[in-house]
Amino acid sequence: DAMVIQNPRYQVTQFGKPVTLSCSQTLNHNVMYWYQQKSSQAPKLLFHYYDKDFNNEADTPDNFQSRRPNTSFCFLDIRSPGLGDAAMYLCATSRDRMGYSNQPQHFGDGTRLSIL
Amino acid sequence: AQSVTQLGSHVSVSEGALVLLRCNYSSSVPPYLFWYVQYPNQGLQLLLKYTTGATLVKGINGFEAEFKKSETSFHLTKPSAHMSDAAEYFCAVSRAGGTSYGKLTFGQGTILTVHP
Repeated sequence: DAMVIQNPRYQVTQFGKPVTLSCSQTLNHNVMYWYQQKSSQAPKLLFHYYDKDFNNEADTPDNFQSRRPNTSFCFLDIRSPGLGDAAMYLCATSRDRMGYSNQPQHFGDGTRLSIL
Repeated sequence: AQSVTQLGSHVSVSEGALVLLRCNYSSSVPPYLFWYVQYPNQGLQLLLKYTTGATLVKGINGFEAEFKKSETSFHLTKPSAHMSDAAEYFCAVSRAGGTSYGKLTFGQGTILTVHP
C-alpha cells in the first residue's frame, strides 16, 4: 500500500545534541509537510516543500531545518534540541497544484521525540 | 485569515448513542473542510472532506458531516457510537486559491470518549 513512513517511531536525544527525523513516501506527492504536535494540542505546521520549493512558517524557530533530497524523502533536522522541543513530529504529503488546495493530506504515524 | 473553532475539548457518549462533534470555521474565501481522527501514538487519518458539491458528506467508519455556509459550520456526526470511535478528532480548513499550497488550519481537537 502506498503510504507515508516515518522513522524512527520513538527517538531519544540529549539536550543540545543534533537529531534528524526522516520521512519517506510512496504516494509520489509533490508537497511534503512537517508538523510539531505537543500533548493535547493541534498539529503546528513547521514548514513544507512544494516540489523543491521550501516554505518556512514565520514562527518556526531557526533551530529547525529541513531537507528534501528527492520527491520521496524529507528530513527534519533539529540542531540543538531543547526541552521544549519534546513532541510528536508528523510528516504529511499531498498532491497539490498552486491555487487548488482541495486534496487531503496523508499523514505518517509520527516520531515521538524525547529530550534528556 | 482562516480559523477553526471546535466546541468542546472533550465529548463523552455511551456506546450506541449519537456522536456530535462541533466545528465552526472562519474563512474569507470558499473553504475546503476536513475532519481527521487521531488514535493514540498515531498520525492523523482522514475521515471525510468537503470541497464543492453536495453539502452532506459521508466518510469512513459511518461518520458524516454537513457543510452549512449560513452557519459557517461543519459538524461531524455518527448515529451510533462504537467503542473503537474513542480518539481525538480534528476539524481543519484549507483555503481555495492563492498560494496556500493546501496549508491546513486545525481546530484544537475534541477527545471523544465512549462508555460501555
